[in-house]
Amino acid sequence: QSALTQPRSVSGSPGQSVTISCTGTSSDVGGYTYVSWYQQHPGKAPKLMIYDVSKRPSGVPDRFSGSKSGNTASLTISGLQAEDEADYYCCSYAGSYTVIFGGGTILTVL
Amino acid sequence: EVQLVESGGGLVQPGGSLRLSCAASGFTFSSYWMSWVRQAPGKGLEWVANVKQDGSEKYYVDSVKGRFTISRDNAKNSLYLQMNSLRAEDTAVYYCARDWYAEYFQYWGQGTLVTVSS
Repeated sequence: QSALTQPRSVSGSPGQSVTISCTGTSSDVGGYTYVSWYQQHPGKAPKLMIYDVSKRPSGVPDRFSGSKSGNTASLTISGLQAEDEADYYCCSYAGSYTVIFGGGTILTVL
Repeated sequence: EVQLVESGGGLVQPGGSLRLSCAASGFTFSSYWMSWVRQAPGKGLEWVANVKQDGSEKYYVDSVKGRFTISRDNAKNSLYLQMNSLRAEDTAVYYCARDWYAEYFQYWGQGTLVTVSS
């Protein structure tokens, strides 16, 4: 099972919006509404930012939003802030209680 | 406050074994699926295994099937990962995570480093 496909890196200036894509197959992203996104700062544990495609856990700013179309999910961060600079990983349910992650995207705030 | 604290990592030779533990607190441990997720140095996240609330169902990524065993002790609020026949490619930080039916991971531990090298 190959990892979900994410761009290696994206960048944006403070205040701008960026979108990170996550492409899978009909066996994972396209087949379920269970896509989640994680933010990871260097040396830290991942943090849940989005679950069930577009839901935000308590405490996550509404600048973070998620969506899905077909086999591709997306994370959009609006009003970029310096503290958003981190690695971002998508994750999808892949059937039979198994899980698959994306390869990760490095977000640079210019 | 939910806390997950991993332990048991270290340096092990190829072919060796290691047992990781995760101590959970701040929630009803027996009510949740639990997972192990790993991250090789400089690489991305990889889900390794999960276990149902009562331990009756366990699932693994193909690369560890037959070598790793996930288990839990609800009386001790603890999750375990027995790793046998370790390979260099198993070198990673191993995270314990509270798993919502394999849909998402809401809480993560700080991780424990496993290094497989001679």
